[in-house]
Amino acid sequence: QQQVKQSPQSLIVQKGGISIINCAYENTAFDYFPWYQQFPGKGPALLIAIRPDVSEKKEGRFTISFNKSAKQFSLHIMDSQPGDSATYFCAASLSGNTPLVFGKGTRLSVIA
Amino acid sequence: DGGITQSPKYLFRKEGQNVTLSCEQNLNHDAMYWYRQDPGQGLRLIYYSQIVNDFQKGDIAEGYSVSREKKESFPLTVTSAQKNPTAFYLCASTTGAGDYEQYFGPGTRLTVT
Repeated sequence: QQQVKQSPQSLIVQKGGISIINCAYENTAFDYFPWYQQFPGKGPALLIAIRPDVSEKKEGRFTISFNKSAKQFSLHIMDSQPGDSATYFCAASLSGNTPLVFGKGTRLSVIA
Repeated sequence: DGGITQSPKYLFRKEGQNVTLSCEQNLNHDAMYWYRQDPGQGLRLIYYSQIVNDFQKGDIAEGYSVSREKKESFPLTVTSAQKNPTAFYLCASTTGAGDYEQYFGPGTRLTVT
């Protein structure tokens, strides 16, 4: 049973455009929702995270939008650049030092 | 430098051999995790440990074993019972307070032939 569903599997965006990746979760007890960026052959790097008490969090060109009633959250990358080309994973977890449950990833390609 | 180290970066083994992957952290994190990554599968949890001398099975623990004798170290053994051991293995650790941010090591790519 997949607890976090991520879409799309792959995404191609023009340089300067907006990249949008969506995730949906099932467990209403989840209260921590991070996004990770991974380049080929490297470990994932924490990009930005949100808790369900806020609907949006922005850090630079990266924004998380959170919809608690719909059990959905999304990552928006503004002014997408070729250097943003990577695989992005959403995740969710319960409180405390509990394991993350990951989506299956979105491979983003930003083309000039 | 603080961080998580995994060694080696690439590992090659013959089928039927056990192999141990190293994971060390100097972040003073309490919890440590092992994930397996296969193309198109995302990250799947193998084992995790929230405290020294204690660990729990994740979703795909069969064919793997771990130990947590020291806070800094969480080695993973891939045994001959693991049917498809070739994969990218990632170790992670979590801060003990605040947002419980999980940080990953650089990974070990294991190839078994």
